[in-house]
Amino acid sequence: AQSVSQHNHHVILSEAASLELGCNYSYGGTVNLFWYVQYPGQHLQLLLKYFSGDPLVKGIKGFEAEFIKSKFSFNLRKPSVQWSDTAEYFCAVKRKGGGADGLTFGKGTHLIIQP
Amino acid sequence: GAGVSQSPSNKVTEKGKDVELRCDPISGHTALYWYRQSLGQGLEFLIYFQGNSAPDKSGLPSDRFSAERTGGSVSTLTIQRTQQEDSAVYLCASSLSGTLAGEQYFGPGTRLTVT
Repeated sequence: AQSVSQHNHHVILSEAASLELGCNYSYGGTVNLFWYVQYPGQHLQLLLKYFSGDPLVKGIKGFEAEFIKSKFSFNLRKPSVQWSDTAEYFCAVKRKGGGADGLTFGKGTHLIIQP
Repeated sequence: GAGVSQSPSNKVTEKGKDVELRCDPISGHTALYWYRQSLGQGLEFLIYFQGNSAPDKSGLPSDRFSAERTGGSVSTLTIQRTQQEDSAVYLCASSLSGTLAGEQYFGPGTRLTVT
C-alpha cells in the first residue's frame, strides 16, 4: 500500500514570499502524482499532476512541482505567493495502472498568506 | 458544464439512525469515487465504481457502510446505525475512466454530523 507524507501541517507566509511545500510518498512501483487545493468554502480542485515525461510540471496560478524519483518526492513550489493562495493543499498519489484505486492523500498543509 | 453535485450539503442525524448521501457525477464520467474527510484522518478513500460495479469494497470502514450506483450515473452512500465517529465530510469524485489515472473532479461534499 502507498502512503503520502506532507511535512508541514501549517505554513504562514507574507505576500511575495516564495513557497515550497514538501510531499514524500512511499510506494515501490510507478505512481501518478497530484496536488489538489481547497480554498476556503470551496471544493477540492486540481492544481497540477504528473504522469510521465518532464519531472517539472506546471499547474494553474503559477504553481509548479518537481518529481524526484530517487527521493520519492513531489514538492510544490511558487516563486511569489499572493493573499488569494490561502488554502489547504493536498498531495496525492495513485498507483499507475491502479484503475480501481482511489487517490491516497497526505494529511494536507494549511497555508495562510498574510497581506 | 455542470460539475459533480452532492446532496444534502449538510446532514445532522442522531446516533443510531440511517443516512443516505447522494452523488451526481459529471455526465459521461464512468468512474466514481467516495472519500471521507475527517479531522485527524485527512482524506480517506472509501470505494470506487466503474460503471455500476464496485470491484473493491475493502476501503469501507465497516459493514454499516454500503454504496451503490445505478444506471452508471448517480451513486448513494448509505450509513446504517450511525455512530459519532462517522461524523465527517463525505466527498464524491468522478473521472472519465478509472482504468486510466485521469484527473478526478470533486464535489462540494456532504457534511455529516452525528449527535
